[in-house]
Amino acid sequence: ETGVTQTPRHLVMGMTNKKSLKCEQHLGHNAMYWYKQSAKKPLELMFVYNFKEQTENNSVPSRFSPECPNSSHLFLHLHTLQPEDSALYLCASSQGTPRSGGIDEQYFGPGTRLTVT
Amino acid sequence: QQQVKQSPQSLIVQKGGISIINCAYENTAFDYFPWYQQFPGKGPALLIAIRPDVSEKKEGRFTISFNKSAKQFSLHIMDSQPGDSATYFCAASPGTGNQFYFGTGTSLTVIP
Repeated sequence: ETGVTQTPRHLVMGMTNKKSLKCEQHLGHNAMYWYKQSAKKPLELMFVYNFKEQTENNSVPSRFSPECPNSSHLFLHLHTLQPEDSALYLCASSQGTPRSGGIDEQYFGPGTRLTVT
Repeated sequence: QQQVKQSPQSLIVQKGGISIINCAYENTAFDYFPWYQQFPGKGPALLIAIRPDVSEKKEGRFTISFNKSAKQFSLHIMDSQPGDSATYFCAASPGTGNQFYFGTGTSLTVIP
C-alpha cells in the first residue's frame, strides 16, 4: 500500500454528468498532484497543490476543476467531459517544496479509470 | 514537445534474460533520473533513480546506466523474472522542486 488512496477506482460517466474523483494521502505530505495517464503517452501533469495552494495548472480545460481542502485530501471535479478525456487519472503526493528542497519524490495512488461515453 | 523519449514501447524477454529499456533527453538542466514500475491496477512506484554524477547505479537485479554526454540513460533488469512483467517509465527532473517529465512507458513481458 503506497499510502495514497483514490476513489472510485472505476467510473463511467456520460458527457453531461457531473462527478468527482477523490484522493487521500496518509503520508503526512504537503503537496498533491493530479496526472492524466493515456495509452502510449507520457504522464501529463494537470494540477499541483503545495500546502493547499494551487501552484501549477498545465493548461487544463475548465471542465476539470481541482479542489484541495487540506493537505491530505484532493478532489477533481468533472463536468461536461468529452470522450477523449477517458483515461487513468492518477493522484500523487510528496513532501512539498520549497521547504524540503532537493528532490521531492512523488508517491502515486492506484488511479481512477475514467470512461466517458 | 516530449522532454523524455523512451524505447521500446513493448518488450518480450525470456525468463533469466536481460531486459533493457532506453531513454533520452535534451534538457541539460535535468539532474535527477528516476525509473518507475507500474503493475496493472496500480500507480507507478519508484524503482531506482540516478544523479548524473555517477555512470551506473545498481540495486539488486536493477541497474541504471547513465551517459551524460549522449544524454541517455537506460534500465537493465538482469535475470528477468515473470514477476517483473509490468510497465516501466523513465522520468527526468531538474533536481529540485517537484516537476517531473515522464517517458511514454515500456510494457515488459517476461515469458516463463
